[in-house]
Amino acid sequence: ETGVTQSPTHLIKTRGQQVTLRCSSQSGHNTVSWYQQALGQGPQFIFQYYREEENGRGNFPPRFSGLQFPNYSSELNVNALELDDSALYLCASSLVAGADTQYFGPGTRLTVL
Amino acid sequence: DAKTTQPTSMDCAEGRAANLPCNHSTISGNEYVYWYRQIHSQGPQYIIHGLKNNETNEMASLIITEDRKSSTLILPHATLRDTAVYYCIVRVRRSGANNLFFGTGTRLTVIP
Repeated sequence: ETGVTQSPTHLIKTRGQQVTLRCSSQSGHNTVSWYQQALGQGPQFIFQYYREEENGRGNFPPRFSGLQFPNYSSELNVNALELDDSALYLCASSLVAGADTQYFGPGTRLTVL
Repeated sequence: DAKTTQPTSMDCAEGRAANLPCNHSTISGNEYVYWYRQIHSQGPQYIIHGLKNNETNEMASLIITEDRKSSTLILPHATLRDTAVYYCIVRVRRSGANNLFFGTGTRLTVIP
């Protein structure tokens, strides 16, 4: 069974640019959540996708958007990057929405200069 | 979801039991206690969860006080690989909602 994978591992962008991060869910999982983890902090919930629709969102502006595809893989898009967007971005999948266990990927480290 | 309070850091000798406390004095009757951990450079990993009864699995035991205002995660025989940040999270088990609210957690260091 393949776990949650994310790409790329690391990324450097400049302020104002746009970025797309990718996540491949664990096999059979139909729900994916995205989290942002700033240095020294715990992960913060960005949003959740279930069956290709967003069905939950944390306190993040609209320039953070996402997609989930029929094969349940997912993308996180961030427009107009700001310096504070520098963080580790984590993707987590679960068998169903609201499941007790979420399986996290290793994350993508984004640096905004 | 209720907030939690955890010590910033703890040390534990290898082979000994690691007892990680968590206070959640404002927990509601329908909120569960979850524990995740994050080993350096990895994503968080689910450990265990419970409502009011003590729980045990292959990784750890969870002891929840009778008034449910606090809990303790127990790693019975800590190894160096258990060095990680441990997060205590209280959450309503709600169908359709996956959001977890992580605090800053407890950094556990297992010492040889």
